[in-house]
Amino acid sequence: DVKVTQSSRYLVKRTGEKVFLECVQDMDHENMFWYRQDPGLGLRLIYFSYDVKMKEKGDIPEGYSVSREKKERFSLILESASTNQTSMYLCASTRPGQGNEKLFFGSGTQLSVL
Amino acid sequence: AQSVAQPEDQVNVAEGNPLTVKCTYSVSGNPYLFWYVQYPNRGLQFLLKYITGDNLVKGSYGFEAEFNKSQTSFHLKKPSALVSDSALYFCAVRPYSGNTPLVFGKGTRLSVIA
Repeated sequence: DVKVTQSSRYLVKRTGEKVFLECVQDMDHENMFWYRQDPGLGLRLIYFSYDVKMKEKGDIPEGYSVSREKKERFSLILESASTNQTSMYLCASTRPGQGNEKLFFGSGTQLSVL
Repeated sequence: AQSVAQPEDQVNVAEGNPLTVKCTYSVSGNPYLFWYVQYPNRGLQFLLKYITGDNLVKGSYGFEAEFNKSQTSFHLKKPSALVSDSALYFCAVRPYSGNTPLVFGKGTRLSVIA
């Protein structure tokens, strides 16, 4: 089975800190995604990547950046954390050529910014 | 741009009764449609998908979904609900052509009462 691993399950940071959320997948997937999940808002796409060193903005990229230096790793960076970035962050991966379906998700990182 | 509407935040159903979780979509051209499920304290899991062909799609755990092009709907159904079906359900869509990421709905919380 595909495994998507997010480095932290819970994270507490202070306003203004630089925050790194790490995601690693073990199935050689080309496509990787970062979503945030908020009650009543569902899943919203932050950034995605279809190849190493490639990145595309999703629907809510403001305040975030990403890094994809290796195929298996996709990092989400909060340059200067703010309280409105308190959320559940979900990483996902899939193969191309099948239309991005059957995303495999990590367990999520619940980030609290105080 | 594509979008998904899940009109019910919460659906309550008695164990053994049939359940329906509603989803309508908007997309240019033909759609790829998906349902994902999130059990408590776990990541999202793929449940089923519609690409082409039979309008009734069968998925995991006895779930099925019916694609209705004229009503732009993709409702999730199960003939007999189990308490263990209690979870958060997300509908998602993307256009059939191209390689754009999935867009998710806001989610519907299903509670099955014993």
